[in-house]
Amino acid sequence: DVKVTQSSRYLVKRTGEKVFLECVQDMDHENMFWYRQDPGLGLRLIYFSYDVKMKEKGDIPEGYSVSREKKERFSLILESASTNQTSMYLCASSFASTVGEKLFFGSGTQLSVL
Amino acid sequence: QKEVEQNSGPLSVPEGAIASLNCTYSDRGSQSFFWYRQYSGKSPELIMFIYSNGDKEDGRFTAQLNKASQYVSLLIRDSQPSDSATYLCAVPAYNQGGKLIFGQGTELSVKP
Repeated sequence: DVKVTQSSRYLVKRTGEKVFLECVQDMDHENMFWYRQDPGLGLRLIYFSYDVKMKEKGDIPEGYSVSREKKERFSLILESASTNQTSMYLCASSFASTVGEKLFFGSGTQLSVL
Repeated sequence: QKEVEQNSGPLSVPEGAIASLNCTYSDRGSQSFFWYRQYSGKSPELIMFIYSNGDKEDGRFTAQLNKASQYVSLLIRDSQPSDSATYLCAVPAYNQGGKLIFGQGTELSVKP
């Protein structure tokens, strides 16, 4: 079974802190994604990566950065956390494909910024 | 027009009934379609995918695809209270190497 592991299930941070969310997948997937999910707004893509050291902005990249130094690991960084970044963060991975491939999600990190 | 549209619901059906969830998409070139189920407080899990026109059945779930009408649906037969969840439709973004576009999701409630 594909496993996508997110480092924390719940996280509480203070405004202005630098926050790291880590994601590891064990299926040798080329693609990795970070989404946030808020009530009434659905899943919104923050960043994605289709290869090591490669990254692409999603729909809402402002206030975030990412790092992919190894194929299995994709990190989301909140440079200076703000209260409007309180959300559920979901990491996902998939194989590369021209027609679309199944996404596998981690269990999510519920981040609260106080 | 949104790229992937679903009725937000909630859709309420009695236990044992057929639940019908619908999704329309705007990109005529889309070739694969995915249905995810998400329980409250949990992450989405893939339950069905379909590539070809017609029906695809897996247990109590049937995905139906009509590319001419740009329409994909999910039928759940013999609905159970445990099927109560939000169902997300997803379609690949054109030429963006694996990125999926998700609909807003339809909340399904199955009443005992």
